[in-house]
Amino acid sequence: DVVMTQSPLSLPVTLGQPASISCRSSQSLVHSDGNTYLNWFQQRPGQSPRRLIYKVSNRDSGVPDRFSGSGSGTDFTLKISRVEAEDVGVYYCMQGTHWPSLFGPGTKVDIK
Amino acid sequence: EVQLVESGGGLVQPGRSLRLSCTASGFTFGDYAMSWVRQAPGKGLEWVGFIRSKAYGGTTEYAASVKGRFTISRDDSKSIAYLQMNSLKTEDTAVYYCTRRWSLDYWGQGTLVTVSS
Repeated sequence: DVVMTQSPLSLPVTLGQPASISCRSSQSLVHSDGNTYLNWFQQRPGQSPRRLIYKVSNRDSGVPDRFSGSGSGTDFTLKISRVEAEDVGVYYCMQGTHWPSLFGPGTKVDIK
Repeated sequence: EVQLVESGGGLVQPGRSLRLSCTASGFTFGDYAMSWVRQAPGKGLEWVGFIRSKAYGGTTEYAASVKGRFTISRDDSKSIAYLQMNSLKTEDTAVYYCTRRWSLDYWGQGTLVTVSS
């Protein structure tokens, strides 16, 4: 199985400052169809997860443009340009290229 | 508006069975694959499995941890996806989420399953 790692696992941030989360896979996530199925999810405290980014860099509807995704192959990054209080929660990357699909361990973002 | 509502969770003894339902609205249910994801208390997310749409054969895939014990099915006429869980173990205790598509674009609120004697 593909192993997904994230760093850091805990990220204290200052309001208004940028934040960055890294996600790495043990195998390339480029699918035979040419797409890279790497998604990012946000789970706020007490809420269900919601998808933020799909196929590396595509923002879901309603997701603020301060969130951006990038990367290729095995290395991916989620960036928040200016952290707001509502961004507190756990962020997960997930690969859907290889079965079984697997989530990363999660990165907990909170305010300093 | 896409809505997914899970039901059927509760307390069950080890070795027993439970069936979860996911009632969908706001989209043409039969056109989409449906997935189940679970989250043990205080832990991360784990993909349980999914069922393809009838257009793609309606076939299923499962995580190794549940294969042979869990079965996902769907009733397109009722817009409901099911998760039949047999031979439950204490480690199956989790909130179970119903999600749309393999890429998990929409999530329900989850239903808690507690496996304990």
